[in-house]
Amino acid sequence: DTGVSQDPRHKITKRGQNVTFRCDPISEHNRLYWYRQTLGQGPEFLTYFQNEAQLEKSRLLSDRFSAERPKGSFSTLEIQRTEQGDSAMYLCASSLMNQPQHFGDGTRLSIL
Amino acid sequence: RKEVEQDPGPFNVPEGATVAFNCTYSNSASQSFFWYRQDCRKEPKLLMSVYSSGNEDGRFTAQLNRASQYISLLIRDSKLSDSATYLCVVSPDNAGNMLTFGGGTRLMVKP
Repeated sequence: DTGVSQDPRHKITKRGQNVTFRCDPISEHNRLYWYRQTLGQGPEFLTYFQNEAQLEKSRLLSDRFSAERPKGSFSTLEIQRTEQGDSAMYLCASSLMNQPQHFGDGTRLSIL
Repeated sequence: RKEVEQDPGPFNVPEGATVAFNCTYSNSASQSFFWYRQDCRKEPKLLMSVYSSGNEDGRFTAQLNRASQYISLLIRDSKLSDSATYLCVVSPDNAGNMLTFGGGTRLMVKP
């Protein structure tokens, strides 16, 4: 069991640039979730997939954010035209249906 | 007002002490409840689910009061390794999707 894998671990970029993060879930987990966590706060739900279908999106997910899971395995989260307020840890989790979520180590995004 | 409220702490306790954390949630339709543990700069990890009848896992006891919308976690005989942030988590469905996290309570166990 290799766990949930996220890449990159850390991304530093200038304001206005686009960034893309990747998440590889635990093998055979059909549900995949994205969360965002800022310093001193708990994670905030962004969106989740069951297989390739995106079932729910938080209102936190503005038009600049898009997530995909084209083949029902790995997922990508893209942020366009990054802003200072996007600086955060982006966490991915996966689970089997009705089972606990397992989190990856996260991608830390820093906007200069 | 946050959906899940916790005292951020820190709670500084000596080894062997008993410590209790509480949280309140605002969505009365919440269906499933959890405590997660998060070490500094690490990912959250499920500590235990919380059931209406209360449940225990070793030194950890969780309680849920649906009428008061209140969840608690009791840690007995604290260990140095219990030092972490404890996150109170609720979900609107029984499957535990779309988790809503509290801000966390930081625990520091001292020798």
